[in-house]
Order: sequence, then structure tokens, then C-alpha cells
Amino acid sequence: ETGVTQSPTHLIKTRGQQVTLRCSSQSGHNTVSWYQQALGQGPQFIFQYYREEENGRGNFPPRFSGLQFPNYSSELNVNALELDDSALYLCASSFGSGNLYEQYFGPGTRLTVT
Amino acid sequence: DQQVKQNSPSLSVQEGRISILNCDYTNSMFDYFLWYKKYPAEGPTFLISISSIKDKNEDGRFTVFLNKSAKHLSLHIVPSQPGDSAVYFCAARRPSGTYKYIFGTGTRLKVLA
Repeated sequence: ETGVTQSPTHLIKTRGQQVTLRCSSQSGHNTVSWYQQALGQGPQFIFQYYREEENGRGNFPPRFSGLQFPNYSSELNVNALELDDSALYLCASSFGSGNLYEQYFGPGTRLTVT
Repeated sequence: DQQVKQNSPSLSVQEGRISILNCDYTNSMFDYFLWYKKYPAEGPTFLISISSIKDKNEDGRFTVFLNKSAKHLSLHIVPSQPGDSAVYFCAARRPSGTYKYIFGTGTRLKVLA
């Protein structure tokens, strides 16, 4: 059984640029949630994708967008990067949209915006 | 507005003793609470959960207590082991439309050998 993988591991971008982060969900999982974890903070829910549709969103602006593909892998896109977007971005997969307690996290992508 | 708070950023405990990690919340609509453990360079790993209709859940060395009137939960680890050294996050689920998940800021536990 393959766990949740994320790419890239680290990324450095300049303010105003765009970035795409990728997540491969655990085998058999159809739901992916994305979180932003700033330094010294807990993960903050960005949005969730269930069967290729956005299924809930946290307090993030529209420049944070996502996609889920037929194989349930997912992308997080961030446009017009700001310095405050520097954080660890975590994705988590689960089977079903409400199963927080069976949510498996990837190791994260650390994004630095300069 | 921090709806889930972990007021102790760090905690040190001797091996074999009890570790108690605390979490307070403000929203009475939360219906499920969870604890996650996070090692460096890894994603959080689910540890234990409790429904809002219960006041205790036990799994091996880990027990979670929920005090709804005080809006407080705690994680007890007995006995503590050096491998338990990690950052612990409590999280709460809010059942409004699509479930929203709110995490605390984490407590770094260090178990001393």
C-alpha cells in the first residue's frame, strides 16, 4: 500500500509568481484535503476535493485553487504569491469526505516566497 | 479567532512518567476531537479521537479525556517513552455543511531518557 506523497519537497518562489504543488493520495482514497501550516502554527484547512469536485473551503482567497484528477491525485495552485504564503503545505487523503480520523497526511511541501 | 488552543508550546517529561497535553476550544458545535502526532519532516499521524458524546477514550498507552462543560480535552500518555517525543496537535471537527477541521498550534513533547 502506497502512502500519501507530495512533490516537490521544497520550493522557492518570488512574490507575484504562481506555484503548483502536487499530491498523490493513498491507494483506495477518493478524498484529498489541503492544509497550510505556517511556522509555529497548526495546519489550517484550505479546501477539500471529493471525487474531483471541491467539497468545502476554509478562509483562503480565490488565488488558492485546486484540482483533483480521475486517479484522485490532486494539485494546489497559488497565484500572485505573497510573502505570507511561505509555509508548509500538507495534503491528506481519506476515503469519504467526513473521515477526518482516517485522514493520512503526506510529508508536505515547504514553500518559501522571497 | 483561534477556536482551538494549545496553551503550552512545549512540555518535558521523564521517561516512564505521565505526559499530559491540554487543549481548549471555544465552539460548542464541534462534534469530534482528534489528536495527531508529528515528527520532523513527516506529516501528522492520527493518534486517537473522541466523539463529543463521550468523555473518555483509551487506546493502549494513550487516553483522551473530554470535559464538555469546560470545553477542554487532554491527552494522557502513560508511560511516556522517548519515541513519543514529537509535536502533538489537537484538532476539532465542525459539522456545518462540509466538515471543517480546526487544528491547535501544537505542543512539543520531549521525553527524557
